[in-house]
Amino acid sequence: DIVMTQSPLSLPVTPGEPASISCRSSQSLLQSNGITFLHWYLQKPGQSPQLLISLGSNRASGVPDRFSGSGSGTDFTLKISRVQADDVGVYYCMQALQTPWTFGQGTKVEIK
Amino acid sequence: EVQLVESGGGLVQPGGSLRLSCVVSGFIFSNSWMAWVRQAPGKGLEWVANIKADGSETYYVDSVKGRFTISKDNARNSLYLQMDSLRVEDTAVYHCARHCGGSICSRAFDMWGQGTLVTVSS
Repeated sequence: DIVMTQSPLSLPVTPGEPASISCRSSQSLLQSNGITFLHWYLQKPGQSPQLLISLGSNRASGVPDRFSGSGSGTDFTLKISRVQADDVGVYYCMQALQTPWTFGQGTKVEIK
Repeated sequence: EVQLVESGGGLVQPGGSLRLSCVVSGFIFSNSWMAWVRQAPGKGLEWVANIKADGSETYYVDSVKGRFTISKDNARNSLYLQMDSLRVEDTAVYHCARHCGGSICSRAFDMWGQGTLVTVSS
């Protein structure tokens, strides 16, 4: 199984400041067709998860442009350019290259 | 408006069975791959199973293979998860989720239900 490792697991942030979450996979998520199957989700308190970023860097519909995803192979990063209070919650990366699809442990973002 | 509404959760003894349902609206269900994702209390997300749009292919995490069965009824806009031989470790909120249909979001879950709680305990 592909193991997904996120860091940090807890991230206190100051509104208006940038934030960054790392996600590493135990093997490359690049398929032979050039697609990288790495997605990012946010689970706000008391809510279901929501898709933020697909295929490494594609923002989902309605996601503010302060969120961006980057990376390749086994190393990926989710960045928030200027954190807002509404961004608190747990962020998960997920690989969909091969079954079983696996998630990272989650990174809890909270306001300082 | 896209909606996914799960039901069927509850308290069941170890070894028992439950059938979860997810009724969807607001999109063409028959064209959509679907999945179940669970979250144990206070824990992270775990993909459980998914099913091809026409129901012809299914995939499972090893821990539920042979015990859980995912199915979909395109005429009823409904997704199901038959759970047999339940174990304490299956206790979780079970979410149904839609696979994103576009090429820019392939295999991502772009819509989620609110979840239904399954508690396995004696």
